[in-house]
Amino acid sequence: GENVEQHPSTLSVQEGDSAVIKCTYSDSASNYFPWYKQELGKGPQLIIDIRSNVGEKKDQRIAVTLNKTAKHFSLHITETQPEDSAVYFCAANLPTGFQKLVFGTGTRLLVSP
Amino acid sequence: DAGVIQSPRHEVTEMGQEVTLRCKPISGHNSLFWYRQTMMRGLELLIYFNNNVPIDDSGMPEDRFSAKMPNASFSTLKIQPSEPRDSAVYFCASSLSRQHEQFFGPGTRLTVL
Repeated sequence: GENVEQHPSTLSVQEGDSAVIKCTYSDSASNYFPWYKQELGKGPQLIIDIRSNVGEKKDQRIAVTLNKTAKHFSLHITETQPEDSAVYFCAANLPTGFQKLVFGTGTRLLVSP
Repeated sequence: DAGVIQSPRHEVTEMGQEVTLRCKPISGHNSLFWYRQTMMRGLELLIYFNNNVPIDDSGMPEDRFSAKMPNASFSTLKIQPSEPRDSAVYFCASSLSRQHEQFFGPGTRLTVL
């Protein structure tokens, strides 16, 4: 089955710096890769996603890149702000006909003012 | 516009007791997912419903766990009897269709003493 690995487990940056979180997946048939942000005491919230027919997607300060050949994808946050502090999860779908997601282990991002 | 609603938000019970977690998906969504989140195992899919029908319950850990969806606006996850290792945060998520974004609820933090 699908296995998703996520690095780093923790990431500390200064406000205004960029942050990069990387994930690898094992099933070459996966074609949907969402990123979720989870704040303390809340459920995960989708912040950006990418499908396998594109290599990059941007939404303001957030971007995701996908390398299908290497089976890895990354989340890039530019001009980080303290409110970006949270746990971020990547995920990859299993091609089962529905959106069955396998999640990475999460990255705790801390943005210091 | 109300998101996914879960109740209770916190549940503390003693080993051997029955626990029932409740979920109201977003109106109009026809896919519903139950997840469990622990430090050790991360986010795991327990069961998936489509149009109120259980499609994939391969993630349900054992027979002590059961889930129902009697109608499009309500689902339950029951644990009977509960054990300390069931302590976790349980999330319900819904999506518009099988291939769309999943919206997570705030979760139920379950503690089994």
